[in-house]
Amino acid sequence: DAKTTQPPSMDCAEGRAANLPCNHSTISGNEYVYWYRQIHSQGPQYIIHGLKNNETNEMASLIITEDRKSSTLILPHATLRDTAVYYCIVRVVTGANNLFFGTGTRLTVIP
Amino acid sequence: EAGVTQFPSHSVIEKGQTVTLRCDPISGHDNLYWYRRVMGKEIKFLLHFVKESKQDESGMPNNRFLAERTGGTYSTLKVQPAELEDSGVYFCASSHQGTGELFFGEGSRLTVL
Repeated sequence: DAKTTQPPSMDCAEGRAANLPCNHSTISGNEYVYWYRQIHSQGPQYIIHGLKNNETNEMASLIITEDRKSSTLILPHATLRDTAVYYCIVRVVTGANNLFFGTGTRLTVIP
Repeated sequence: EAGVTQFPSHSVIEKGQTVTLRCDPISGHDNLYWYRRVMGKEIKFLLHFVKESKQDESGMPNNRFLAERTGGTYSTLKVQPAELEDSGVYFCASSHQGTGELFFGEGSRLTVL
């Protein structure tokens, strides 16, 4: 699976959009971009994933650049409950679905 | 629908003792995974079951760890004998075949004294 690079930490004001970047310059054509988050010491939580088109769900939006070498997770209206470590993971969707977590980005939403 | 459940939520044992962690995946999920996070480190993959078969156990640290999934339902992870460095949080996850969306449990925190 391709390696990803994320900033170690970010702050965001409550109510504003949080934009979390991820670089995955070595991504292969059949690898998807997945985002998970871990709130405090809870189990990781799936947020969203995409291949090459932008995606949106009830939690977030995922913007993938045309060359697919980077992406941005957008939380449109961050709340205090969005304070968490966010992980960007690239992987092939095959029978082996194990994920490789890196260090992620610690997002702190400030009141 | 019940999520992934893990038991116990916290276990404190002495070095050399045995601990067994249990995971009940979401009903109908053939894929079951074990991960762990030791203090200050990243979340690391341990192994992956497809039904009752071990698909990938490349992340198991050593032979003190034994995972089973008899009947393809719940899974157990036994640590015997436990060492200090085994302390951490053990997460279980499950998923449908062919999807990358893993549903994680709340984890079992293991403290080895």
